[in-house]
Amino acid sequence: QKEVEQNSGPLSVPEGAIASLNCTYSDRGSQSFFWYRQYSGKSPELIMFIYSNGDKEDGRFTAQLNKASQYVSLLIRDSQPSDSATYLCAVNWGYQKVTFGTGTKLQVIP
Amino acid sequence: NAGVTQTPKFQVLKTGQSMTLQCAQDMNHNSMYWYRQDPGMGLRLIYYSASEGTTDKGEVPNGYNVSRLNKREFSLRLESAAPSQTSVYFCASSEGRGTGEAFFGQGTRLTVV
Repeated sequence: QKEVEQNSGPLSVPEGAIASLNCTYSDRGSQSFFWYRQYSGKSPELIMFIYSNGDKEDGRFTAQLNKASQYVSLLIRDSQPSDSATYLCAVNWGYQKVTFGTGTKLQVIP
Repeated sequence: NAGVTQTPKFQVLKTGQSMTLQCAQDMNHNSMYWYRQDPGMGLRLIYYSASEGTTDKGEVPNGYNVSRLNKREFSLRLESAAPSQTSVYFCASSEGRGTGEAFFGQGTRLTVV
């Protein structure tokens, strides 16, 4: 089983700041990377995916991938209290082979 | 459009009892999955079905069985529940490319006493 590591947090940021969430993975051959948001007591919801090195932006969210360093991150600009949730990193390392990290809890302080 | 629907939402079982968790999706997805989520362990794949008529073991299949009844439905059965199976169970579906783009059901919180 491949490993996906995330800092469990909580990561606390003030409202309006940039939240930076990080994830490292063990399998160098991994091809695709996903960020899920999970509110307390709810199911995970896909918010971003990235396949190529570099940045991918979608609204206030930016996913960053560095395959050489085996590192993927999620930036949330202009953080809002409604962004407070646990963010799960998921890595696809083969057909039907996806490993989830344990998640980083984000708290946005009004 | 309901997405992925799981039943029940909550369940308490006694050790040794059996039960089936039901899951249905209306997105015409080929692949369906059963995960369990435990504190500090993340989401772990129990079983998956890449297409109608096929099922395969995931990371933690022991103590579980599955049935892909048709393209829409994928059930998870606990034959003899154990306290170690206390968890939150999620069903998910995807278009079938085998990637991590999945849609999750609302979850079943199972307690085995």
